[in-house]
Amino acid sequence: DAGVIQSPRHEVTEMGQEVTLRCKPISGHNSLFWYRQTMMRGLELLIYFNNNVPIDDSGMPEDRFSAKMPNASFSTLKIQPSEPRDSAVYFCASSWNRNNSPLHFGNGTRLTVT
Amino acid sequence: TQLLEQSPQFLSIQEGENLTVYCNSSSVFSSLQWYRQEPGEGPVLLVTVVTGGEVKKLKRLTFQFGDARKDSSLHITAAQPGDTGLYLCAGQTGANNLFFGTGTRLTVIP
Repeated sequence: DAGVIQSPRHEVTEMGQEVTLRCKPISGHNSLFWYRQTMMRGLELLIYFNNNVPIDDSGMPEDRFSAKMPNASFSTLKIQPSEPRDSAVYFCASSWNRNNSPLHFGNGTRLTVT
Repeated sequence: TQLLEQSPQFLSIQEGENLTVYCNSSSVFSSLQWYRQEPGEGPVLLVTVVTGGEVKKLKRLTFQFGDARKDSSLHITAAQPGDTGLYLCAGQTGANNLFFGTGTRLTVIP
């Protein structure tokens, strides 16, 4: 298996622009997570899906952030409009929906908003 | 929000030395996972501990879950440069309720 695949690896954009991050989870996993990592705040959970349904989006910082999972093999995280404080590494992870199931992370998207 | 504090935040040691990093919380967890993250990559699972007092060994790494399932430690014997990375603990309270700690950034100098 290729693991969790994220694209793009790097994104540089100007403030106010729309940004879309993409994720392909491991085939067969039924839970998908979006995290944001910064030096100041560490790894923060933004939202997670079970069986393509959003379960907890309490970590989504503002209405500017939205996430979708149209099918079991694809998810997007959109920021519109982007702001400099959104600069971070965004990780997607997938797992089985059961106790003690480990998360399998992608290699992240490094977002820089200027 | 469950708070998991890791200490030390940063650690720089010479190759061959031993070290221990800690993961502490006031909350009880059903299990605790340890991950290692290298630059430019996502975190990768090292181990999961489930039972209070449980000890697991992974080569030179020894993981222990506290008796009350609120804390954990990671001990590395004879550290090597390949051990360099960010070590993250993550406590679980239920399926998909996983809370990550603040992380310990380890540098092993050859």
